[in-house]
Amino acid sequence: AQTVTQSQPEMSVQEAETVTLSCTYDTSENNYYLFWYKQPPSRQMILVIRQEAYKQQNATENRFSVNFQKAAKSFSLKISDSQLGDTAMYFCAFMSSNTGKLIFGQGTTLQVKP
Amino acid sequence: SQTIHQWPATLVQPVGSPLSLECTVEGTSNPNLYWYRQAAGRGLQLLFYSVGIGQISSEVPQNLSASRPQDRQFILSSKKLLLSDSGFYLCAWRGTAPNSGNTIYFGEGSWLTVV
Repeated sequence: AQTVTQSQPEMSVQEAETVTLSCTYDTSENNYYLFWYKQPPSRQMILVIRQEAYKQQNATENRFSVNFQKAAKSFSLKISDSQLGDTAMYFCAFMSSNTGKLIFGQGTTLQVKP
Repeated sequence: SQTIHQWPATLVQPVGSPLSLECTVEGTSNPNLYWYRQAAGRGLQLLFYSVGIGQISSEVPQNLSASRPQDRQFILSSKKLLLSDSGFYLCAWRGTAPNSGNTIYFGEGSWLTVV
C-alpha cells in the first residue's frame, strides 16, 4: 500500500523569504502522480502543483516549485517570495495511475509572518 | 467548464440519526468520484471512491456507506450516526477523458457535527 509522510507538522517563514516543505512517499508502482494541495482557513482544497512521475523535470508554477527525487521517493515544495496569503495547511498527495486513488499526507501548517 | 457541488455545507445531527451528503459534478462524463473525511484539521482520509455507476470501493470499514445512482452523483450515507462521525467531509472528482490532466478537484466541503 502507498503511504505519504510529511514530517513537519508546523512551519513558519518571514514574508518575502523562501521556505521548503518536505514530503516522502512509499510505493512499488512506477507510474504515478504527485501533488501539493493548499488548504486555507476556508477549508477549500486548492491545487498548487502537480508532478508526473515519468517526467524528470521538476514542475514549476510561478513562486511554487518542487524537488522531485524519484529514487529517494521525495517530493518537496519550495515557496519563493512568501506572501501572507500563502498561510495555510499544505498537503502532499500521491495518486496511483492504475487505480486513481489519491492518498494524502498529514499536512504541514505554514504561517507566513509579516 | 467543470464544476462540483456538495451539500449541505453544514449539518448538526443527533447521535443515531441518519445522514445523507450529496455531491454532483457538471461538465464532464464518467468521472472518478471520491469521498474524504478530515478530522481535527489534519490529514484527509479516503473513505470511498467510484469509477462508475454502482461501482464503489470502500477504503475504511466504518459506519458510513456510499452510492452512485447516476454518473455524476455521489452520495454519502449513514443509517445511524456516531459521535466519531463528526468531521469535515469532502467530495472530489477526476476526469477520465483523454488529456483530462489526471488532477483531482474538490468540492467546498460539508461540516458534520454529531451531538
